[in-house]
Amino acid sequence: DTEVTQTPKHLVMGMTNKKSLKCEQHMGHRAMYWYKQKAKKPPELMFVYSYEKLSINESVPSRFSPECPNSSLLNLHLHALQPEDSALYLCASSQFPLAGGRDEQFFGPGTRLTVL
Amino acid sequence: DQQVKQNSPSLSVQEGRISILNCDYTNSMFDYFLWYKKYPAEGPTFLISISSIKDKNEDGRFTVFLNKSAKHLSLHIVPSQPGDSAVYFCAASVMGADGLTFGKGTHLIIQP
Repeated sequence: DTEVTQTPKHLVMGMTNKKSLKCEQHMGHRAMYWYKQKAKKPPELMFVYSYEKLSINESVPSRFSPECPNSSLLNLHLHALQPEDSALYLCASSQFPLAGGRDEQFFGPGTRLTVL
Repeated sequence: DQQVKQNSPSLSVQEGRISILNCDYTNSMFDYFLWYKKYPAEGPTFLISISSIKDKNEDGRFTVFLNKSAKHLSLHIVPSQPGDSAVYFCAASVMGADGLTFGKGTHLIIQP
């Protein structure tokens, strides 16, 4: 199984809502990532979890709250988002943390988020 | 300020010919470079990579060339096939770090 799954595929939420994005992998990978991709822009790294611990937070606003309940799951909790947060949110995993890209990252299909 | 640049948003190539996708970078700390391919409604998938100690890496129809002095890399696909139509992202990384820095992508269209 070389798949990273993400749910939901699409999400529409209001600025006062609380929602969560979910990501799952069963490849035994110990690094998991959240990227954000806006239209016609490259994916931008948000968070990295290494061995279930948050290792990188790229100055992401606190209205985005990541969580790694176990080595297979990664959540992104959303609260009080702004319309400019509308984007494709991609989850990825790789076998070893701190490998500097030498270790292939497997991406999920993404969650298309729209904030009204 | 974009550290990885793909200046061609799209590229159209005839089936059977060579496709050349270009990428430039500004951060001299990058020491590993990757190409990812993305189909609509799917996540990016890894295609090929190259370490900064090499200037060429080949895998079947795909070859990546690295010119460190020019801070430039290119992906060659030959012969191009209809299934190669996708968005291609150039990405770069630093050893000992996590996460990738991506370019904006080039949409490759293979015409029959």
